[in-house]
Amino acid sequence: DTGVSQNPRHKITKRGQNVTFRCDPISEHNRLYWYRQTLGQGPEFLTYFQNEAQLEKSRLLSDRFSAERPKGSFSTLEIQRTEQGDSAMYLCASSLFMRDTEAFFGQGTRLTVV
Amino acid sequence: GIQVEQSPPDLILQEGANSTLRCNFSDSVNNLQWFHQNPWGQLINLFYIPSGTKQNGRLSATTVATERYSLLYISSSQTTDSGVYFCAVLPYGQNFVFGPGTRLSVLP
Repeated sequence: DTGVSQNPRHKITKRGQNVTFRCDPISEHNRLYWYRQTLGQGPEFLTYFQNEAQLEKSRLLSDRFSAERPKGSFSTLEIQRTEQGDSAMYLCASSLFMRDTEAFFGQGTRLTVV
Repeated sequence: GIQVEQSPPDLILQEGANSTLRCNFSDSVNNLQWFHQNPWGQLINLFYIPSGTKQNGRLSATTVATERYSLLYISSSQTTDSGVYFCAVLPYGQNFVFGPGTRLSVLP
């Protein structure tokens, strides 16, 4: 297993278009997190799943954002009707939520909305 | 919610110098991790350290959970140590909360 994988690495889209990002966690990990990071800031929490259940969503996750984790494996994050303020790095992390809750992050998807 | 502070916000060192980065948090946590963010944006795991002391080469970390702080030590710094260092905590039953980071620049 090579770790958490995110695709695409970079995405440039026009304002108003929809975009979808994918995250493949480490295979045995049951928790999956999405974070967003803008320039010069620390990552901000968006949402997380335990297996296929979405347990928490941040107020940052407006109704234009939706995330899924069918079958508790990979996850997708969709942004509808993108706005320039959505330009950011989108980070995914996974962990095995038992006694050891160490999280591992993917390389991120950098979104630019023009 | 829990507050996470990191200090200093910026640090400039000459190569070979030592440094200490601090992370303070406002409530009990189940997990604390230190990350180094590389120039491409990926968060690289440095330490998983909810309590105690760990060492890995030139880096070491100490977390005093009862006093709600953690320290990251970098000895004999190298230019490749440059970047942003983040502390992230996991409060019980919640999601990871990141500090604002410390931006380290190591000059040759």
